[in-house]
Amino acid sequence: EVQLVESGGGLIQPGRSLRLSCKGSGFTFDDYSVSWFRQAPGKGLEWVAFIRSQAYGGGTQYAASVKGRLAISRDDSRSIAYLQMNSLKTEDSAVYYCTRDRRTTVVRGQIRSNYYYNDVWGKGTMVIVSS
Amino acid sequence: DIRLTQSPSTLSASVGDRVTITCRAGQNIDSWLAWYQQKPGKAPNLLIYKASNLEGGVPPRFSGSGSGTEFTLTISSLQPDDFATYYCQQYDSYPYTFGQGTKLEIK
Repeated sequence: EVQLVESGGGLIQPGRSLRLSCKGSGFTFDDYSVSWFRQAPGKGLEWVAFIRSQAYGGGTQYAASVKGRLAISRDDSRSIAYLQMNSLKTEDSAVYYCTRDRRTTVVRGQIRSNYYYNDVWGKGTMVIVSS
Repeated sequence: DIRLTQSPSTLSASVGDRVTITCRAGQNIDSWLAWYQQKPGKAPNLLIYKASNLEGGVPPRFSGSGSGTEFTLTISSLQPDDFATYYCQQYDSYPYTFGQGTKLEIK
């Protein structure tokens, strides 16, 4: 069964750090890009970060609200993606989900573009930032 | 950022009804749109990708259409399990953005 399992959430004070993990199973983890999303209590979904597969360069993207404080990384030998969260704020409180990202490649002349949609989601891990 | 506007925000319907949810993008996103279903306390579940492609395992009563800036999700005959919140999401460019959600309630 294809599965993602997040861990590492909890109650943390503002300004402290936390590292979330996302372990994949049932598929070849290093073939896929991975994203993190979050959802504050009673609110909608927010994209947080993205990391490409190493085969596509391993590059990253971040939401403006977290850039410079959160960092996504991956360890393909362990089939795990991480979200390092530094200088946490109360507004970072949310359920954090990781996703497997499926790639669609479009070739237009000489230009090759990749589009990624999020087909498998973990159950999420809750982060509460509070003093 | 690409703004997505979903309507309606809340929809009351009965089992067996046909319902349609609309998602409008603030700029052209071709067909790079997904639809998700989310139940309370659960992760989102992918229903539709690339505007009209049904994800594996999703019942065929769900369908998506549209391109450019206007998209729809249709449920042809509501089942009890379909009462949930639905989100559209664009994946044309980062930052990925979502509509504000449509809560589908039992009438």
